[in-house]
Amino acid sequence: KQEVTQIPAALSVPEGENLVLNCSFTDSAIYNLQWFRQDPGKGLTSLLLIQSSQREQTSGRLNASLDKSSGRSTLYIAASQPGDSATYLCAVSPGRGAGANNLFFGTGTRLTVIP
Amino acid sequence: DAGVTQSPTHLIKTRGQQVTLRCSPKSGHDTVSWYQQALGQGPQFIFQYYEEEERQRGNFPDRFSGHQFPNYSSELNVNALLLGDSALYLCASSRPGLNGYGYTFGSGTRLTVV
Repeated sequence: KQEVTQIPAALSVPEGENLVLNCSFTDSAIYNLQWFRQDPGKGLTSLLLIQSSQREQTSGRLNASLDKSSGRSTLYIAASQPGDSATYLCAVSPGRGAGANNLFFGTGTRLTVIP
Repeated sequence: DAGVTQSPTHLIKTRGQQVTLRCSPKSGHDTVSWYQQALGQGPQFIFQYYEEEERQRGNFPDRFSGHQFPNYSSELNVNALLLGDSALYLCASSRPGLNGYGYTFGSGTRLTVV
């Protein structure tokens, strides 16, 4: 069964700092990997989607990388702002076999950016 | 372009009761998935509906059932509610037949069982 781990569980940084969030998964046979943002008590907002054939995706101050063979992804946030404070979740889609149609989520990294 | 719409936003039920949650997918999406997110945890897959049929199911008991309508909207029903069913229930939709385009999530329904 696919297991997704996110480290650290919580992170607090001063405004303006660059930071990296980590995601690892046990089964490298994934279809894609998606990073989400979740504000307290709210739903999920998709940030970046990386197909299994891609190495990275960028959107504004966000850059996500994928190393499928080692089962790792990172989300890089440049010049962090207080508005970036939220929980960041990564999720993998197997795409085939058991669990093909569902996402496997990590437990998230809770980010606090201090003004 | 409306995203995924869920109703109600909050709900309080008594143990043993039944509840129905509703979801309208994003325009152009025909596949709907439901997830349960307990406090401090990542979302857990409940089931997915495509072409009005349950296509895949996660590790949830039969008390959890669903339905998809011809307009692609969906309902999640939970019978004989337990205190442990208290969670945020998320609906996600995706593009026709393909997971490769990613999922769009709604804002969720917060269910509290007392």
